[in-house]
Amino acid sequence: GIQVEQSPPDLILQEGANSTLRCNFSDSVNNLQWFHQNPWGQLINLFYIPSGTKQNGRLSATTVATERYSLLYISSSQTTDSGVYFCAAYNTDKLIFGTGTRLQVFP
Amino acid sequence: DAGVIQSPRHEVTEMGQEVTLRCKPISGHNSLFWYRQTMMRGLELLIYFNNNVPIDDSGMPEDRFSAKMPNASFSTLKIQPSEPRDSAVYFCASRPRQIQETQYFGPGTRLLVL
Repeated sequence: GIQVEQSPPDLILQEGANSTLRCNFSDSVNNLQWFHQNPWGQLINLFYIPSGTKQNGRLSATTVATERYSLLYISSSQTTDSGVYFCAAYNTDKLIFGTGTRLQVFP
Repeated sequence: DAGVIQSPRHEVTEMGQEVTLRCKPISGHNSLFWYRQTMMRGLELLIYFNNNVPIDDSGMPEDRFSAKMPNASFSTLKIQPSEPRDSAVYFCASRPRQIQETQYFGPGTRLLVL
Protein backbone atom coordinates (compact mmCIF):
# COMPACT_ATOMS: atom_id res chain seq x y z
CA GLY A 1 0.00 0.00 0.00
CA ILE A 2 0.90 3.64 -0.12
CA GLN A 3 3.50 4.86 2.36
CA VAL A 4 3.47 8.47 3.51
CA GLU A 5 6.55 9.81 5.23
CA GLN A 6 6.96 13.21 6.83
CA SER A 7 10.04 15.09 7.90
CA PRO A 8 11.24 16.35 10.21
CA PRO A 9 9.38 14.51 12.97
CA ASP A 10 9.90 17.42 15.37
CA LEU A 11 10.58 21.08 14.86
CA ILE A 12 11.19 23.80 17.41
CA LEU A 13 11.09 27.42 16.29
CA GLN A 14 11.21 30.84 17.75
CA GLU A 15 8.35 33.12 16.85
CA GLY A 16 8.95 34.86 13.54
CA ALA A 17 11.02 32.09 11.99
CA ASN A 18 10.15 30.35 8.72
CA SER A 19 9.96 26.60 8.21
CA THR A 20 9.44 23.95 5.56
CA LEU A 21 7.76 20.62 6.22
CA ARG A 22 8.10 17.79 3.76
CA CYS A 23 5.83 14.91 2.80
CA ASN A 24 6.98 12.05 0.57
CA PHE A 25 4.62 9.42 -0.76
CA SER A 26 5.61 6.08 -2.15
CA ASP A 27 3.29 5.61 -5.05
CA SER A 28 0.98 7.47 -7.34
CA VAL A 29 -1.77 9.12 -5.39
CA ASN A 30 -4.95 10.78 -6.49
CA ASN A 31 -4.55 13.83 -4.35
CA LEU A 32 -3.00 15.14 -1.17
CA GLN A 33 -4.25 17.05 1.83
CA TRP A 34 -2.48 18.92 4.64
CA PHE A 35 -3.94 19.20 8.14
CA HIS A 36 -3.03 20.97 11.34
CA GLN A 37 -3.89 19.23 14.59
CA ASN A 38 -3.99 21.93 17.23
CA PRO A 39 -3.05 21.36 20.89
CA TRP A 40 -6.73 20.66 21.65
CA GLY A 41 -6.71 17.78 19.19
CA GLN A 42 -8.84 19.26 16.45
CA LEU A 43 -7.86 18.42 12.87
CA ILE A 44 -8.08 21.48 10.68
CA ASN A 45 -7.94 21.46 6.90
CA LEU A 46 -5.09 23.51 5.54
CA PHE A 47 -4.81 22.58 1.90
CA TYR A 48 -6.20 20.18 -0.59
CA ILE A 49 -3.44 20.19 -3.17
CA PRO A 50 -3.14 17.54 -5.87
CA SER A 51 -0.49 19.54 -7.67
CA GLY A 52 0.90 23.01 -7.99
CA THR A 53 1.07 25.67 -5.32
CA LYS A 54 -1.53 27.23 -3.06
CA GLN A 55 -1.25 29.98 -0.52
CA ASN A 56 -3.36 30.95 2.46
CA GLY A 57 -1.96 33.81 4.47
CA ARG A 58 1.35 32.84 6.01
CA LEU A 59 0.99 29.24 4.84
CA SER A 60 1.61 27.86 1.41
CA ALA A 61 1.92 24.38 -0.04
CA THR A 62 3.44 22.89 -3.14
CA THR A 63 2.88 19.40 -4.50
CA VAL A 64 5.01 17.86 -7.23
CA ALA A 65 3.06 14.72 -7.96
CA THR A 66 5.48 13.41 -10.58
CA GLU A 67 8.25 13.42 -7.98
CA ARG A 68 5.95 12.23 -5.19
CA TYR A 69 6.41 14.95 -2.64
CA SER A 70 4.67 17.90 -1.12
CA LEU A 71 5.99 20.81 0.91
CA LEU A 72 4.28 23.00 3.47
CA TYR A 73 5.80 26.41 4.13
CA ILE A 74 5.11 28.38 7.26
CA SER A 75 6.38 31.93 7.26
CA SER A 76 6.70 34.27 10.23
CA SER A 77 5.62 31.52 12.60
CA GLN A 78 3.42 32.32 15.58
CA THR A 79 2.82 30.45 18.81
CA THR A 80 -0.64 29.55 17.51
CA ASP A 81 1.03 27.54 14.74
CA SER A 82 2.10 24.97 17.33
CA GLY A 83 0.70 21.49 16.98
CA VAL A 84 1.13 18.54 14.65
CA TYR A 85 1.04 18.86 10.89
CA PHE A 86 -0.15 15.89 8.91
CA CYS A 87 -0.14 15.21 5.25
CA ALA A 88 -2.47 12.57 3.94
CA ALA A 89 -2.39 10.97 0.53
CA TYR A 90 -5.44 9.59 -1.17
CA ASN A 91 -5.51 6.05 -2.44
CA THR A 92 -8.81 6.00 -4.34
CA ASP A 93 -11.28 6.88 -1.59
CA LYS A 94 -9.02 6.28 1.39
CA LEU A 95 -6.82 8.82 3.13
CA ILE A 96 -3.47 7.46 4.27
CA PHE A 97 -1.92 9.67 6.92
CA GLY A 98 1.73 10.33 7.54
CA THR A 99 3.16 10.23 11.05
CA GLY A 100 3.18 14.00 11.32
CA THR A 101 5.59 16.80 12.14
CA ARG A 102 5.28 18.16 15.67
CA LEU A 103 5.92 21.91 15.65
CA GLN A 104 6.54 23.97 18.75
CA VAL A 105 6.79 27.72 18.39
CA PHE A 106 8.15 29.63 21.36
CA PRO A 107 7.76 33.37 21.96
CA ASP B 1 -22.57 25.42 8.88
CA ALA B 2 -21.94 23.70 12.22
CA GLY B 3 -19.35 21.33 10.82
CA VAL B 4 -19.13 17.66 11.69
CA ILE B 5 -20.63 17.01 15.12
CA GLN B 6 -19.51 14.18 17.36
CA SER B 7 -20.78 13.02 20.71
CA PRO B 8 -19.82 12.43 23.37
CA ARG B 9 -16.61 14.44 23.37
CA HIS B 10 -15.19 12.38 26.21
CA GLU B 11 -16.11 8.91 27.39
CA VAL B 12 -14.72 6.95 30.30
CA THR B 13 -15.95 3.41 30.72
CA GLU B 14 -14.97 0.12 32.25
CA MET B 15 -13.70 -2.87 30.36
CA GLY B 16 -16.54 -5.01 29.06
CA GLN B 17 -19.04 -2.19 28.71
CA GLU B 18 -20.66 -1.21 25.43
CA VAL B 19 -19.59 2.12 23.96
CA THR B 20 -21.50 4.04 21.28
CA LEU B 21 -19.97 6.99 19.49
CA ARG B 22 -22.13 9.26 17.38
CA CYS B 23 -21.53 11.44 14.38
CA LYS B 24 -23.56 13.95 12.41
CA PRO B 25 -21.89 14.82 9.09
CA ILE B 26 -22.06 18.17 7.38
CA SER B 27 -25.40 18.55 5.63
CA GLY B 28 -25.20 17.60 1.97
CA HIS B 29 -22.05 15.53 2.30
CA ASN B 30 -22.39 12.07 0.84
CA SER B 31 -19.42 10.25 2.36
CA LEU B 32 -18.62 9.59 5.99
CA PHE B 33 -15.43 8.22 7.50
CA TRP B 34 -14.50 6.88 10.94
CA TYR B 35 -10.86 7.15 12.05
CA ARG B 36 -8.98 6.20 15.18
CA GLN B 37 -5.90 7.98 16.49
CA THR B 38 -3.44 6.40 18.91
CA MET B 39 0.13 7.16 19.81
CA MET B 40 1.29 3.78 18.53
CA ARG B 41 -0.59 3.63 15.22
CA GLY B 42 -1.29 7.26 14.39
CA LEU B 43 -4.42 8.06 12.41
CA GLU B 44 -6.01 5.07 10.75
CA LEU B 45 -9.21 4.66 8.78
CA LEU B 46 -11.68 2.22 10.32
CA ILE B 47 -14.61 2.32 7.90
CA TYR B 48 -16.28 4.61 5.42
CA PHE B 49 -19.70 5.02 3.87
CA ASN B 50 -20.86 6.44 0.56
CA ASN B 51 -24.53 7.40 0.40
CA ASN B 52 -25.11 5.58 3.72
CA VAL B 53 -23.68 2.31 2.39
CA PRO B 54 -20.52 0.83 3.97
CA ILE B 55 -17.85 0.67 1.28
CA ASP B 56 -14.71 -0.48 3.06
CA ASP B 57 -14.54 -1.80 6.61
CA SER B 58 -11.13 -3.42 6.28
CA GLY B 59 -9.75 -1.12 8.97
CA MET B 60 -12.20 -2.27 11.64
CA PRO B 61 -9.93 -4.03 14.13
CA GLU B 62 -12.19 -6.92 15.06
CA ASP B 63 -15.76 -8.08 15.44
CA ARG B 64 -16.20 -6.08 18.61
CA PHE B 65 -16.41 -2.99 16.41
CA SER B 66 -19.45 -2.19 14.29
CA ALA B 67 -20.64 0.91 12.47
CA LYS B 68 -23.95 1.95 11.02
CA MET B 69 -25.31 4.82 9.00
CA PRO B 70 -29.10 4.60 9.07
CA ASN B 71 -29.56 7.90 7.23
CA ALA B 72 -27.56 10.70 5.63
CA SER B 73 -27.34 12.72 8.82
CA PHE B 74 -26.31 10.18 11.42
CA SER B 75 -23.76 7.44 12.02
CA THR B 76 -22.70 5.36 15.01
CA LEU B 77 -19.58 3.43 15.89
CA LYS B 78 -20.13 0.80 18.53
CA ILE B 79 -17.63 -1.18 20.55
CA GLN B 80 -18.97 -4.20 22.42
CA PRO B 81 -17.37 -5.31 24.65
CA SER B 82 -14.82 -2.56 25.11
CA GLU B 83 -11.21 -3.28 26.12
CA PRO B 84 -8.46 -1.01 27.48
CA ARG B 85 -6.59 -1.20 24.14
CA ASP B 86 -9.56 0.53 22.50
CA SER B 87 -8.63 3.72 24.33
CA ALA B 88 -8.02 6.32 21.63
CA VAL B 89 -9.45 9.39 19.98
CA TYR B 90 -12.11 8.51 17.43
CA PHE B 91 -12.72 10.97 14.63
CA CYS B 92 -15.57 11.19 12.20
CA ALA B 93 -15.11 13.01 8.90
CA SER B 94 -17.40 13.81 6.01
CA ARG B 95 -16.79 14.61 2.38
CA PRO B 96 -18.77 16.96 0.17
CA ARG B 97 -20.92 15.77 -2.66
CA GLN B 98 -19.36 18.16 -5.12
CA ILE B 99 -15.74 17.92 -4.05
CA GLN B 100 -14.99 14.27 -3.98
CA GLU B 101 -11.78 14.23 -2.05
CA THR B 102 -11.70 16.95 0.58
CA GLN B 103 -12.54 15.58 4.04
CA TYR B 104 -13.69 17.64 7.00
CA PHE B 105 -13.10 16.29 10.47
CA GLY B 106 -15.18 16.48 13.60
CA PRO B 107 -13.68 17.35 17.00
CA GLY B 108 -13.24 13.71 17.97
CA THR B 109 -14.34 11.57 20.90
CA ARG B 110 -11.67 10.80 23.46
CA LEU B 111 -12.35 7.28 24.78
CA LEU B 112 -10.73 5.82 27.87
CA VAL B 113 -11.48 2.22 28.77
CA LEU B 114 -10.38 1.28 32.28
